[in-house]
Amino acid sequence: AQTVTQSQPEMSVQEAETVTLSCTYDTSESDYYLFWYKQPPSRQMILVIRQEAYKQQNATENRFSVNFQKAAKSFSLKISDSQLGDAAMYFCAYRSTSGTYKYIFGTGTRLKVLA
Amino acid sequence: NAGVMQNPRHLVRRRGQEARLRCSPMKGHSHVYWYRQLPEEGLKFMVYLQKENIIDESGMPKERFSAEFPKEGPSILRIQQVVRGDSAAYFCASSPPRGSTDTQYFGPGTRLTVL
Repeated sequence: AQTVTQSQPEMSVQEAETVTLSCTYDTSESDYYLFWYKQPPSRQMILVIRQEAYKQQNATENRFSVNFQKAAKSFSLKISDSQLGDAAMYFCAYRSTSGTYKYIFGTGTRLKVLA
Repeated sequence: NAGVMQNPRHLVRRRGQEARLRCSPMKGHSHVYWYRQLPEEGLKFMVYLQKENIIDESGMPKERFSAEFPKEGPSILRIQQVVRGDSAAYFCASSPPRGSTDTQYFGPGTRLTVL
């Protein structure tokens, strides 16, 4: 069975600085999808970025980018030029390309942005 | 195009009562997933449904919990004889027919409090 691990319960970053959130996963599959979701206090799950495992190029979305290391099964999220609105819980998620497509989530990292 | 709708947003029940949570998927989406988020934890998969069919209920507790997605109307997650341990946020996500996308779109969640 697949697992997702986020080893940082909480992280802090100064406004305008850069922060990296870690995520590792375990799977025997060769093709899959990885996601980062943001959950602000409103609890709405907001898709930040996604990565297809067969693509070697790291995904980027404006200030958000990932460092995808397939062999190491690592999928970290880098937030550049951090803003106060980035403060939230961040969840890493895995989805197989077979079966029922259910997501497997990590336990989350709470990001605090300091003014 | 309206997003995934869930109601109610907040639900308070006393122990032993029934809870009914509703989810209206995005227009054109025929696949619905339910996830549960316990306090300070990540989301855990419960059940995956298509119209009139339960495809995967491997994450659903064997007793007291049931789900349906009728031909007409929203998907319903039903919890009978609620207990304090059922207090959580319940999220619904929807996706178009299989193969056309890899992303699930989440609703705002229903926060269930059992007194």
